[in-house]
Amino acid sequence: QEQLVQSGAEVKMPGASVKISCKASGYRFASYGVSWMRQAPGQGLEWLGWNSFYQGQTHYAPNLRDRLTVTTDMSTSTAHLELRNLRSDDTAVYFCARFGSGRFYFDLWGQGTLVTVSS
Amino acid sequence: SYELTQPPSVSVSPGQTARITCSGHLLSQIFAYWYQKKSGQAPTLVIYEDSNRPPGIPERFSGSKSGTVATLTINGAQVEDEADYYCCSTDRSGLPSFGGGTKVTVL
Repeated sequence: QEQLVQSGAEVKMPGASVKISCKASGYRFASYGVSWMRQAPGQGLEWLGWNSFYQGQTHYAPNLRDRLTVTTDMSTSTAHLELRNLRSDDTAVYFCARFGSGRFYFDLWGQGTLVTVSS
Repeated sequence: SYELTQPPSVSVSPGQTARITCSGHLLSQIFAYWYQKKSGQAPTLVIYEDSNRPPGIPERFSGSKSGTVATLTINGAQVEDEADYYCCSTDRSGLPSFGGGTKVTVL
């Protein structure tokens, strides 16, 4: 069946980097984009950025543009998020999600990856 | 980023109708989407493009829009519908924003 499976929880020191993977299966990866969101403890959902292979476009939330990179590896149907120079307020559950061509909604989500930033 | 405003909480008894609003100045021109988020789970899309229900979403969930306000309605709310609900839309550049979320309590 269609699914997105994310990598496991991470604990990082402030200033470090984290890389999260999101592996797709059960559908044609190249026909969709992958978006990334997060939810900090007690907070709402926040959109971080997305990568659309079929459109050849990558966009980021303005507040993270200088620290965030999202990529897709078509050979393994895997999307990656890298967040650099981590701060304590980056502690959150990070989600990947699929979106379709010309569609701005997320109809398939990964299970989430907890990233804890602590000294 | 583009601001979408939701009430913090809505409370209904089982079988009653829950209505959650989402206000944004671009909503009269741009689609709204709704997600259900239960604790410890990934979000689930419950309404897309203002009023469309994805496969598998119960018919008691419906969406509508009037001017700059989108509304998610749960007709005959069930205990299992207790969750946080987030509206989502895009700015003029096509970049998404989420509302602050509405906690729905059914008791």
